[in-house]
Amino acid sequence: NAGVMQNPRHLVRRRGQEARLRCSPMKGHSHVYWYRQLPEEGLKFMVYLQKENIIDESGMPKERFSAEFPKEGPSILRIQQVVRGDSAAYFCASSPKRAGTGGELFFGEGSRLTVL
Amino acid sequence: AQTVTQSQPEMSVQEAETVTLSCTYDTSENNYYLFWYKQPPSRQMILVIRQEAYKQQNATENRFSVNFQKAAKSFSLKISDSQLGDTAMYFCAFVDSNYQLIWGAGTKLIIKP
Repeated sequence: NAGVMQNPRHLVRRRGQEARLRCSPMKGHSHVYWYRQLPEEGLKFMVYLQKENIIDESGMPKERFSAEFPKEGPSILRIQQVVRGDSAAYFCASSPKRAGTGGELFFGEGSRLTVL
Repeated sequence: AQTVTQSQPEMSVQEAETVTLSCTYDTSENNYYLFWYKQPPSRQMILVIRQEAYKQQNATENRFSVNFQKAAKSFSLKISDSQLGDTAMYFCAFVDSNYQLIWGAGTKLIIKP
């Protein structure tokens, strides 16, 4: 059973370009969470999705950031018109049930975005 | 607001020694879950141990154990017989009935040969 797969592992973009980060959850997991980790800091919650639904996007900036988890295919975190402050590691996690019910979160290896 | 505090930004110990990482949290909830995650240089987040708040017994996973003090809202991680492979960032996390994880800032643990 493959783990949570994230790609690309490293992405370099110039200011103003778009970044797309993909996350394929573990088989059988329908809950996906995105986190951002700035250097020397802990993980910050961004968004929680279930298949085709955004459950909570309270941690995501209102502008330029969007996320989706379609019925088929991976979850995608999209950042439009990137700025230098978007440079960070973005982690995706999946679980078979809602995290608040004690389900373990399985993490991908992260995608490191560098904005020049 | 719910918060998680890890007061030790960095710790280092000799291989085979025992080390304790501290974590305190603040919540008004009664039922919740606490986790310790490890992030080695490869950056992958790995679950080390989990504790349900309604369980009084401290969780144990091989060389890893916790000291869970619910009244004091403390959740420390003890690593016995530390190994070089334990070198990593360790994050304490809290999740409540609303599923959001609240993370500490992390403790960088270095195991010296």
